[in-house]
Amino acid sequence: DTAVSQTPKYLVTQMGNDKSIKCEQNLGHDTMYWYKQDSKKFLKIMFSYNNKELIINETVPNRFSPKSPDKAHLNLHINSLELGDSAVYFCASSFREKLFFGSGTQLSVL
Amino acid sequence: QKEVEQDPGPLSVPEGAIVSLNCTYSNSAFQYFMWYRQYSRKGPELLMYTYSSGNKEDGRFTAQVDKSSKYISLFIRDSQPSDSATYLCAMSGRGYQKVTFGTGTKLQVIP
Repeated sequence: DTAVSQTPKYLVTQMGNDKSIKCEQNLGHDTMYWYKQDSKKFLKIMFSYNNKELIINETVPNRFSPKSPDKAHLNLHINSLELGDSAVYFCASSFREKLFFGSGTQLSVL
Repeated sequence: QKEVEQDPGPLSVPEGAIVSLNCTYSNSAFQYFMWYRQYSRKGPELLMYTYSSGNKEDGRFTAQVDKSSKYISLFIRDSQPSDSATYLCAMSGRGYQKVTFGTGTKLQVIP
C-alpha cells in the first residue's frame, strides 16, 4: 500500500498549457510538501502545508498554485507552462523532520 | 555560496569497499541531519537520521556529525552493487519543517 502517491508519473506538454499534479498520503501526517528536482538532482522546496494551511512558500512564480483540500491531499496546479518548468516534482509528507517522498512526476515542457 | 555543499561525484568503487560521503554546511542553526538515498527514477528515501553532533550506526551504515566543523559524513561498509544510487544529505533547524538538501553524490558500486 503506497504511502505517498502522486499522479501522473509522466507529463509531457506544450509551452503555455496549464497542468495539475495530484498527491495523496495515507500516513496520517499533518504536513505535506512540494519539492522540485532539477536535472542536476538538486532538490528544492517549493511549498509546505500543515493541516491544509500554507506555511512555507519559497520564491516560486505565481503560476504555481498549491491546493490542499484536506490534510491527506496536496495538489499542484501550474499555469502557462514554460520550458524552465521541466523537472521532476516530488510530493512529500513528514513526521517531524523525516520526509517521506512520492515517486515523482517527470514534467517535460516542449 | 550554498547553505549545503556536497560533491556531486560520480563516485565509483569496487564491491566490498568502504565508501565515505560528505557534506559541509554554513548555517549554524541546523540541528537535524539526515541522509537520503535515491534510486534512479524513484523518490528519495530516508536512510539515516541524527540529532546534533555524534555518530549513529545502522547495519553497514554510519552517520557522523561534527557541528564544530559544520561537517557531516556517511560511511558505507562492505559496499554492495545494490548501494548504487544518489545519496543526498539534508538538514534542518528547530522548526524542522524546512529541510535543506545537498546536491547529491552519485555512487556506483561495481561488482
